[in-house]
Amino acid sequence: EIVMTQSPATLSVSPGERATLSCRASQSIGSDLAWYQQKPGQAPRLLIFAASTRATGFPARFSGSGSGTEFTLTISSLQSEDFAVYYCQQYYEWLTFGGGTKVESK
Amino acid sequence: EEQLVESGGGLVQPGGSLRLSCAASGFIFDDYAMHWVRQAPGKGLEWVSAITWNSGSIGYVDSVKGRFTISRDNAKNSVYLQMNSLRVEDTAFYYCARGWPADFWGQGTLVTVSS
Repeated sequence: EIVMTQSPATLSVSPGERATLSCRASQSIGSDLAWYQQKPGQAPRLLIFAASTRATGFPARFSGSGSGTEFTLTISSLQSEDFAVYYCQQYYEWLTFGGGTKVESK
Repeated sequence: EEQLVESGGGLVQPGGSLRLSCAASGFIFDDYAMHWVRQAPGKGLEWVSAITWNSGSIGYVDSVKGRFTISRDNAKNSVYLQMNSLRVEDTAFYYCARGWPADFWGQGTLVTVSS
């Protein structure tokens, strides 16, 4: 089983600041990496797939990078609607999720 | 409008069984693999099972192997999760999701395993 590790568990950021979230895979997964955004009481929404392709409906301030085992999600200028929990997921070998990063207001 | 609607959740005793259903509409169902993903209250996401478009490939997380069975009926645009020998630790919201990666999700159904 491929294990996904996210850091930090919680990120405190002020609106307008940059947020950088990390995700590490226990073995190489190429670019088979997705990011999801989940807000309280809602189902997750696909945010990024293929490590760096933004899904429909998300603005350009969200970007993904990385390949192999190290991946990053960057929110360039955090808006109030971006406070949420973010999960990475590998889909190279079935699916596994990271433990999530909660982005909260500082 | 694309929709995934889960049903079949509820309260069950440890050792009991439940069958979850997920009804799809608004898209070509047999173009997609389908997944079940669960989330215990206040916890993170855990992939449970997946089935390819033609049921040719099926996978499970280790913790449910031998207890849960995923299936689909393309004629009914539905995917199912038969859950047997349920444990307290299976308590969670269960979501069905479409695609690889999962690009669209239902709103979930709550399964509570408790005596």
